[in-house]
Amino acid sequence: AQSVTQLDSHVSVSEGTPVLLRCNYSSSYSPSLFWYVQHPNKGLQLLLKYTSAATLVKGINGFEAEFKKSETSFHLTKPSAHMSDAAEYFCVVGLSYGNNRLAFGKGNQVVVIP
Amino acid sequence: DVKVTQSSRYLVKRTGEKVFLECVQDMDHENMFWYRQDPGLGLRLIYFSYDVKMKEKGDIPEGYSVSREKKERFSLILESASTNQTSMYLCASSPTLAGTGDQPQHFGDGTRLSIL
Repeated sequence: AQSVTQLDSHVSVSEGTPVLLRCNYSSSYSPSLFWYVQHPNKGLQLLLKYTSAATLVKGINGFEAEFKKSETSFHLTKPSAHMSDAAEYFCVVGLSYGNNRLAFGKGNQVVVIP
Repeated sequence: DVKVTQSSRYLVKRTGEKVFLECVQDMDHENMFWYRQDPGLGLRLIYFSYDVKMKEKGDIPEGYSVSREKKERFSLILESASTNQTSMYLCASSPTLAGTGDQPQHFGDGTRLSIL
C-alpha cells in the first residue's frame, strides 16, 4: 500500500536560513505526490504537486521539491526561511484507488526563530 | 479559486446529541471527503463520496455517517456524540480528471468540535 514517512515531527530553523523537510514514500508504481501547509486554525493549502512531469517541482511561497525515484524521496526545500513559514507541513501520496484518495504523513511542525 | 466552506469554525455539543457538520464546495467537484485531525495522528479519512448519493467508508467510519443529496454539499453526522469525537474536522473536495493521476484535494478551514 502507498504511504509516506515524515521524520522530525518538530523542526526549528532560524530566519534567513534554508528549510529542509524530508519525505520518503512507499509505492509500487510512479505516484502522485503533494506537499501541503497548514497555518494555525486553518485548513490545508496546497504548496506543490508532482505528477510525473518534471522531477523538480516549484511551488508557492518559494518552496520546491525534488522527486528522486532511486531514493523514494520527495523532500521539500526553501532557500531562506521567513517568519510566515511557521506552520505544519504534510507530505501526501495519491492512493490511485480512484476517487483521488490520498494518504497523509504525520506532518512536520516548523518553528522559525527570529 | 476553489472554495470549500464549512458551516461552523467552532462548535460545542453535549454527549449523546446528534451533530451535523456541513460542507459546501463551489467548483462542481465529483469527490468530497471528511477527515478528522488529532495531534500526533495526522489526518484520518472518515468517509468520502464520489458522486451524489454515493458514499464509501474511510479508515475510521465508526460513530459517523454522511449524506450527499446535492453535488456541492457533503454532510457529516455524528449520530450520538461522544467525548472521544472531540477533534478538528476537515472537509475537502477534488475533481476526477481521467488519465491525469491523483488530483490534489482542496480543503475548508475546518470545524473545531468539542463534545462535553
